[in-house]
Amino acid sequence: DAGITQSPRYKITETGRQVTLMCHQTWSHSYMFWYRQDLGHGLRLIYYSAAADITDKGEVPDGYVVSRSKTENFPLTLESATRSQTSVYFCASSKTGWAFFGQGTRLTVV
Amino acid sequence: AQRVTQPEKLLSVFKGAPVELKCNYSYSGSPELFWYVQYSRQRLQLLLRHISRESIKGFTADLNKGETSFHLKKPFAQEEDSAMYYCALSPYNQGGKLIFGQGTELSVKP
Repeated sequence: DAGITQSPRYKITETGRQVTLMCHQTWSHSYMFWYRQDLGHGLRLIYYSAAADITDKGEVPDGYVVSRSKTENFPLTLESATRSQTSVYFCASSKTGWAFFGQGTRLTVV
Repeated sequence: AQRVTQPEKLLSVFKGAPVELKCNYSYSGSPELFWYVQYSRQRLQLLLRHISRESIKGFTADLNKGETSFHLKKPFAQEEDSAMYYCALSPYNQGGKLIFGQGTELSVKP
């Protein structure tokens, strides 16, 4: 299917574990983004990428790592998960100025 | 500072009543403004983009540069409009990067 997909949809992990959230898009959009959605905060930008091998920090990057070796993939890694990283994570891609979002990954850190 | 403010966390109206979801922004240049909608536990979908001047699902939004506002309006609310609505600003020439407001939950009662 064309579009943008995230995996897994749901994840429960323990404090201190490393977790990677996957994001794949089939449009060859140059820009990709990771947001986290929390009640009372709306969506906040974690990291974004303008092209393969080009990434930059957003508003809340601490505790997260990204990479983009291929245009279509933009994985987000939590190096050592903390409870404050319990959230819904949305990946998005953009070409012409507006963003298309994935279905989200609901991550719970216990 | 670049900021989007949605002053209402929750807006509750009866079916057939008019709806106005408020959005104010702070940006030094000419931003691109959007409204995104998120139905229960689904991905965010683009509802309106200010430059397109379209009416989607009966919703309209007018950019008021003097008041730095981009309020979303619908003359007659429907139950299926119940959702979370996010106003977002895209800074000029940043590839679709979005700054979101905190969101307003619209509840349309029968």
